[in-house]
Amino acid sequence: AQTVTQSQPEMSVQEAETVTLSCTYDTSESDYYLFWYKQPPSRQMILVIRQEAYKQQNATENRFSVNFQKAAKSFSLKISDSQLGDAAMYFCAYRREEGNLIFGKGTKLSVKP
Amino acid sequence: GAVVSQHPSWVICKSGTSVKIECRSLDFQATTMFWYRQFPKQSLMLMATSNEGSKATYEQGVEKDKFLINHASLTLSTLTVTSAHPEDSSFYICSARDFGTSSYEQYFGPGTRLTVT
Repeated sequence: AQTVTQSQPEMSVQEAETVTLSCTYDTSESDYYLFWYKQPPSRQMILVIRQEAYKQQNATENRFSVNFQKAAKSFSLKISDSQLGDAAMYFCAYRREEGNLIFGKGTKLSVKP
Repeated sequence: GAVVSQHPSWVICKSGTSVKIECRSLDFQATTMFWYRQFPKQSLMLMATSNEGSKATYEQGVEKDKFLINHASLTLSTLTVTSAHPEDSSFYICSARDFGTSSYEQYFGPGTRLTVT
């Protein structure tokens, strides 16, 4: 069975600085998708970034980028130029072949002005 | 982007009653929808997979007779919590899978907060 581990329950970053959220996973599959989702206080799940396992190039979406290390089964999220609106819960997720997502426990990110 | 709605967004019911939550894909057809539950300060846990025209697949430990799922059309799945108890109070989130996208993208509804008194 696949598992997703986020070892940082809480993180804090100064506005305009960079922060990295960690995520590791375990799977026996060779092709899969990994995601980072943001959940603000409204609790609406917002897709931040997606990585396809067969792609060696790390995904990037504006200020958000990932460091995908397939052999190490690591999938960290880097947020550059942090903004107050980035404060939220961040969930790392693995998509199973059946299509549903397995989520990590989440990291609560605080952004200090 | 694709939109998924949930109704109601918030509901309070008395212990022993049933409550129905609707999940709709507004601008795409969703043959597969997923129901998740999220307790306070916790992560999302999959409850069941809902497939249009067939029986739902429940995760281990989820009572299928208590959490009835119906996916009668390509745009609507419903979750009915029967004989609700206070321990069923939680945040329920649905997601719908769009097979029209190359990556079979999954879109989340805004969630339903259920409080059982």
